[in-house]
Amino acid sequence: EVQLVQSGAEVKKPGQSLNISCKGSGYSFTKYWIGWVRQMPGKGLEWMGIIYPDDSDTRYSPSCQGQVTISVDKSTTTAYLLWSSLKASDTAIYYCVRRTWGAHYYFDYWGQGTLVTVSS
Amino acid sequence: DIQMTQSPSSLSSSIGDRVTITCQASQVITKYLNWYQQKPGKAPKVLIYDASNLERGVPSRFSGGGSGTNFTFSISSLQPEDVATYYCQQFDEFPLTFGGGTKVEIK
Repeated sequence: EVQLVQSGAEVKKPGQSLNISCKGSGYSFTKYWIGWVRQMPGKGLEWMGIIYPDDSDTRYSPSCQGQVTISVDKSTTTAYLLWSSLKASDTAIYYCVRRTWGAHYYFDYWGQGTLVTVSS
Repeated sequence: DIQMTQSPSSLSSSIGDRVTITCQASQVITKYLNWYQQKPGKAPKVLIYDASNLERGVPSRFSGGGSGTNFTFSISSLQPEDVATYYCQQFDEFPLTFGGGTKVEIK
């Protein structure tokens, strides 16, 4: 059974660093693109970026480029989303997502979401 | 960037009604237009991929269509469990983009 299991909720202060994780299981982790989608409180879905675990090819949305880092650890089949300096505007639910393999391009599995709250 | 404009932003219909949502792209999408459903407090799930293909296990009352820059998503007979927000998404090119969402409620 394919699963994406994310780390738990976080409460941080502005300026602090953070990384949240997404562990993939039940499939060949290195062969599927894995990405992150943000949902600010009461708002819609926003794609942040995506990484191909096999070679770490990474693409970011323009609004997230330079603000976050997406990485993977193939040995633990885990993807990460990292901030070096959080802002209050980073408060959101973050979902990790898997892109389908092959000729169809969509997110077929989603993690359960990680709530990040940034407040002084 | 491809902008995705969904309409309406919300709607309220009766059980059994046909519901249609539209999604307009700012440039032609060749194939990869998807629709997701997000129920309150839950992660989204895909319902339709490649504009008109029903994801495995999704009820047949859901359908998608369209091409080029204009796409539609329909529920043929609205059920109570369809209360959710629906999003279109293009996967044609980076950056990937979502529509603003359509909140569907029961009248």
